[in-house]
Amino acid sequence: DAGITQSPRHKVTETGTPVTLRCHQTENHRYMYWYRQDPGHGLRLIHYSYGVKDTDKGEVSDGYSVSRSKTEDFLLTLESATSSQTSVYFCATWDRVGEKLFFGSGTQLSVL
Amino acid sequence: AQSVAQPEDQVNVAEGNPLTVKCTYSVSGNPYLFWYVQYPNRGLQFLLKYITGDNLVKGSYGFEAEFNKSQTSFHLKKPSALVSDSALYFCAVRDPLFSGNTPLVFGKGTRLSVIA
Repeated sequence: DAGITQSPRHKVTETGTPVTLRCHQTENHRYMYWYRQDPGHGLRLIHYSYGVKDTDKGEVSDGYSVSRSKTEDFLLTLESATSSQTSVYFCATWDRVGEKLFFGSGTQLSVL
Repeated sequence: AQSVAQPEDQVNVAEGNPLTVKCTYSVSGNPYLFWYVQYPNRGLQFLLKYITGDNLVKGSYGFEAEFNKSQTSFHLKKPSALVSDSALYFCAVRDPLFSGNTPLVFGKGTRLSVIA
């Protein structure tokens, strides 16, 4: 999937615990995104980044924070996980030359 | 605000028949339009896009899509469906009038089932 690695691939955690998901890219793309996928909702944008230390909120950002200290890494943190954050999380990067999004393979997160 | 609607949650088609997956959009300017496909337990894969030019866009795996500005639609089509086309399909839009790199907005997805 175009040099995008998400870790972990699967995670089960308990309500109230912090969780960090990692996205690593080898494409040197400037723009990176975190989406969540839920049945009936499609993909919804959580946060995105337009450069190192430059981030902005998406439509469903409550309860999430992000950090981008290096071009290649974009971290998504659930500060205190809730059952409503059980979802599949996808990282994506924007290819400015090809003008399209590339997606990672996703992280299946279950909050019990 | 930009938005995308995929009016059908599920589309069923017999193998060998033509298929259409519908998408309508709403943006303030001229849209960038995309189709992505998701196979089970995989990330989304790019199929095709419309930026400008010919209204009929050809993409991967024999898929094509027609941009219709008057109907604000971008339907995905294939002349002859294969069982292997069974997947979840997403339409997405970006309004290039916004400054910076506006993220893509996705529809809710349409599940395509091709029956042998």
